[in-house]
Amino acid sequence: DQQVKQNSPSLSVQEGRISILNCDYTNSMFDYFLWYKKYPAEGPTFLISISSIKDKNEDGRFTVFLNKSAKHLSLHIVPSQPGDSAVYFCAVNNQAGTALIFGKGTTLSVSS
Amino acid sequence: SQTIHQWPATLVQPVGSPLSLECTVEGTSNPNLYWYRQAAGRGLQLLFYSVGIGQISSEVPQNLSASRPQDRQFILSSKKLLLSDSGFYLCAWSATGGRNYGYTFGSGTRLTVV
Repeated sequence: DQQVKQNSPSLSVQEGRISILNCDYTNSMFDYFLWYKKYPAEGPTFLISISSIKDKNEDGRFTVFLNKSAKHLSLHIVPSQPGDSAVYFCAVNNQAGTALIFGKGTTLSVSS
Repeated sequence: SQTIHQWPATLVQPVGSPLSLECTVEGTSNPNLYWYRQAAGRGLQLLFYSVGIGQISSEVPQNLSASRPQDRQFILSSKKLLLSDSGFYLCAWSATGGRNYGYTFGSGTRLTVV
């Protein structure tokens, strides 16, 4: 059973507009959440993270929001740029704290 | 600075042949090491992780095995490849000691089993 769900396989956005990527998780004990970005034929790179003691973390154009009651987090990219086109993975630490569990990813396409 | 090397970049292997993918990390000691696979429609699936030499934990029972013969070397192997082993294999490392959440991934190996 999936512990981290990204229900939208793809998202298309125009340049300059906001991109919102969503992620749901099942275990309320998860306490740290991360977003990774991946280009084709490359390894994922860390983008932004948030601890469960916060509900928002911002880094430049990227903001992650955490709604613990809904077990939901989202990544906002404003403004979106064509270079943001990539696969975005949501991740959490497993219960033992020994490895990251990733969602299936959302492919973001930003058109100019 | 720390770097992670993974090779080969691409590999085409016949069904039933063996596999050996290697990953090495430089610039750090006693890293946690991971093997992930990205298969079509499956996202990033954790295969193995290691917290020390000779210590391997398997997350998914399958046709693959992993070994850590040296502190900064992680090897993914198979004795006989299956078609379903095709995918993009990624090695990653993180610092040990406490809960560190930053993973650095290698550039990946695209394996096609034919």
